[in-house]
Amino acid sequence: AQRVTQPEKLLSVFKGAPVELKCNYSYSGSPELFWYVQYSRQRLQLLLRHISRESIKGFTADLNKGETSFHLKKPFAQEEDSAMYYCALRGGSQGNLIFGKGTKLSVKP
Amino acid sequence: DAGVIQSPRHEVTEMGQEVTLRCKPISGHDYLFWYRQTMMRGLELLIYFNNNVPIDDSGMPEDRFSAKMPNASFSTLKIQPSEPRDSAVYFCASSRSSGNTIYFGEGSWLTVV
Repeated sequence: AQRVTQPEKLLSVFKGAPVELKCNYSYSGSPELFWYVQYSRQRLQLLLRHISRESIKGFTADLNKGETSFHLKKPFAQEEDSAMYYCALRGGSQGNLIFGKGTKLSVKP
Repeated sequence: DAGVIQSPRHEVTEMGQEVTLRCKPISGHDYLFWYRQTMMRGLELLIYFNNNVPIDDSGMPEDRFSAKMPNASFSTLKIQPSEPRDSAVYFCASSRSSGNTIYFGEGSWLTVV
């Protein structure tokens, strides 16, 4: 079964501290992994996808197939990073995304 | 492009009433998705279409929910009759193909009292 697990509902850090939002997935083939961000009462926006291997707003994520993980990292958190973060998986020829339950990141001044 | 457009943005309705949510996908996108977001269950896929044809509706909660896509630029999600437990944010999203980024609308905030 396809599944995305985000073990932390809430992650609270201070400004300038490193951040790691955990994501583990279950999928038998080669999935596409994504991170979406949702700022307060706004639409979900794509933050990054693993095939792009790019850094957006200082965030990076590496797909680790051995550990079936796609953790999101940022070395120095900013207050404006406070938002809900969703990890998502898209498998094979499927069109839809399967989302984790999300992690709320709170960056304190 | 204006992005995925949803209406209404907010709706408050009484239990038992019919609710119709509307979505206009990004022009040229051939996939359209309806998701529901709640505090308890997070983001759930309700149904998605490819080239106006429903592909997977296994996430539709029950017969009270129905979705249509009469053409490439319009889709509706209907709840009849509505119940308080249907209160949620309903997101429409679209993508150009199965391998491309999915873009979300701003959501329809539904409250059933």
